[in-house]
Amino acid sequence: DQQVKQNSPSLSVQEGRISILNCDYTNSMFDYFLWYKKYPAEGPTFLISISSIKDKNEDGRFTVFLNKSAKHLSLHIVPSQPGDSAVYFCAATPSSGTYKYIFGTGTRLKVLA
Amino acid sequence: DVKVTQSSRYLVKRTGEKVFLECVQDMDHENMFWYRQDPGLGLRLIYFSYDVKMKEKGDIPEGYSVSREKKERFSLILESASTNQTSMYLCASSSNPGTENEKLFFGSGTQLSVL
Repeated sequence: DQQVKQNSPSLSVQEGRISILNCDYTNSMFDYFLWYKKYPAEGPTFLISISSIKDKNEDGRFTVFLNKSAKHLSLHIVPSQPGDSAVYFCAATPSSGTYKYIFGTGTRLKVLA
Repeated sequence: DVKVTQSSRYLVKRTGEKVFLECVQDMDHENMFWYRQDPGLGLRLIYFSYDVKMKEKGDIPEGYSVSREKKERFSLILESASTNQTSMYLCASSSNPGTENEKLFFGSGTQLSVL
């Protein structure tokens, strides 16, 4: 049972345009969410996070939106750059109890120059 | 700078061998994790540890065990390697449990091939 889902395995976007990556979750105990970027043969690196007390968090070109009622979050990258081409994972965890991060299956973003 | 170090980038082992994957973090984190990454399956949690000598099973613990004798070191053990354990293994540690600034820091990964 996939508790965190990224239904788009891949996405191509033109350089300078907006990239929107989506993530859905099923477990209502999740209240803290993170996005990671991964290049081939490297470990994932942290991008941005959001807790359930907020519906938006922004860091430079990256913005994460959280819709708790829909159990949906999205990552917006504006403007997209060729260096953003990577696999993006969303992750979720409850902020109390055991700190078990559950990851989605990832979306491969390709930014075309 | 924050650092999670995995001892090997690439490993090739034979079926039935006992395999040790080592991970060290220098951030004094309580929590450490082992994930494997497979195409189309994302990152799946194998085991995690929230303190020295404490461990909990993740979603796919079968065929694996772990050891945490010191706070900074978390080892993943494949008791008898099988071909379906060929994968990218990722170690992580986490800061500030239960707070808004909590995040996982990952190592560079170990690509294990079992022949």
